[in-house]
Amino acid sequence: QLQLQESGPGLVKPSETLPLTCTVSRGSISTTNYYWGWIRQPPGKGLEWIGSIYHSGSSYYNPTLKSRVTISVDTSKNQFSLRLNSVTAADTAVYHCTKSDQYYYMDVWGKGTTVTVSS
Amino acid sequence: DIQMTQSPSSVSASVGDRVTITCQASQGINGWLAWYQQKPGKAPKLLIYAASNLQGGVPSRFSGSGSGTDFTLTISSLQPEDFASYFCQQTNSFPLTFGGGTKVEVK
Repeated sequence: QLQLQESGPGLVKPSETLPLTCTVSRGSISTTNYYWGWIRQPPGKGLEWIGSIYHSGSSYYNPTLKSRVTISVDTSKNQFSLRLNSVTAADTAVYHCTKSDQYYYMDVWGKGTTVTVSS
Repeated sequence: DIQMTQSPSSVSASVGDRVTITCQASQGINGWLAWYQQKPGKAPKLLIYAASNLQGGVPSRFSGSGSGTDFTLTISSLQPEDFASYFCQQTNSFPLTFGGGTKVEVK
């Protein structure tokens, strides 16, 4: 069963960049019709889609975050990454990486990593 | 953007009860709808895709229905492990959007 694991800093200062990585295990990031994405959930709130990427590099972002977000894929390492610039307290959340099929149904999730934005 | 409105935001129920959660899209989504279950401190789990298809390994007491803009998740006989939050998600168009969630609580 394919597994995902997020990694990155748990604390980021305001105005800095949040870098997160998702490592794919027990499967290949280059599998046809597998799409990779990031979802976040602020404390006590609902789910927000950040963006998705295919192993070819084609990517789609939430317009509310598009100016600050970059998602990239490294097939040699079987990883994909998120970079969120100019963070504020509103970016404090649990960040999950996900695997979707070609219809964007998210059938595999990482356990999530908690990110706090604070000085 | 397509807005997803879930109701109720919370429901109190007992083991064995039939529970129904609804999700309304702000425009037609052609059946491109998923339901997820989330327990505290855990990642969401896909239950239903394409409005009515049960994900592998999900108990048959869960079912989904609907079309156009109105969709329903039904738990036919609530079990102790079903007390959790449930979210709908549309995949008809970008940006992908989720409903606000429904918490199923012990009555």
